[in-house]
Amino acid sequence: AQKVTQAQTEISVVEKEDVTLDCVYETRDTTYYLFWYKQPPSGELVFLIRRNSFDEQNEISGRYSWNFQKSTSSFNFTITASQVVDSAVYFCALRDSGAGSYQLTFGKGTKLSVIP
Amino acid sequence: NAGVTQTPKFRVLKTGQSMTLLCAQDMNHEYMYWYRQDPGMGLRLIHYSVGEGTTAKGEVPDGYNVSRLKKQNFLLGLESAAPSQTSVYFCASSPGSYNSPLHFGNGTRLTVT
Repeated sequence: AQKVTQAQTEISVVEKEDVTLDCVYETRDTTYYLFWYKQPPSGELVFLIRRNSFDEQNEISGRYSWNFQKSTSSFNFTITASQVVDSAVYFCALRDSGAGSYQLTFGKGTKLSVIP
Repeated sequence: NAGVTQTPKFRVLKTGQSMTLLCAQDMNHEYMYWYRQDPGMGLRLIHYSVGEGTTAKGEVPDGYNVSRLKKQNFLLGLESAAPSQTSVYFCASSPGSYNSPLHFGNGTRLTVT
């Protein structure tokens, strides 16, 4: 069975601070995909990134970066120089290639508040 | 390009009433999903469909039924609403490959009193 754990329920940072959101996953498959979604206060779910299990290169996109480590089953998300617009709930999700491949399993989310 | 459209956006029901939520996608996606989001619980899968005419149960299917008579539409029904079904419901779709992200609608906020 697949499982995603986001241990940080809520995080508050002051604007311009860096912040890392943790994601730990469990799966029996060797081929799988990891995703991050953002849910701003307006409520929609915005896709941020996808990473496959064979690619452990870190990804950087502007102020956002993702660190994927298979050895620790983690896919952490770092925001550099946070801004108020980064305030949102962030979800990590897993989709594997086995019997559950139709489904995207989500963590419970981390609510990030960036204080001006 | 509308993407995934959910109707209605808000609904209030009394216990025991029934209703249907409609999801429509214009991306020709094979897979469609219904999730519910509750505080502190993340998103939990209710039902999903891997193609027209097919449906399957997710993690929390009890009290819900679904139908996918047309590829672009996925309906979620509540036959006898209960307060425990107060939630935000999200529909999503994706192409028929497991490396694809899900595209979400904007959600339906349902309150059952």
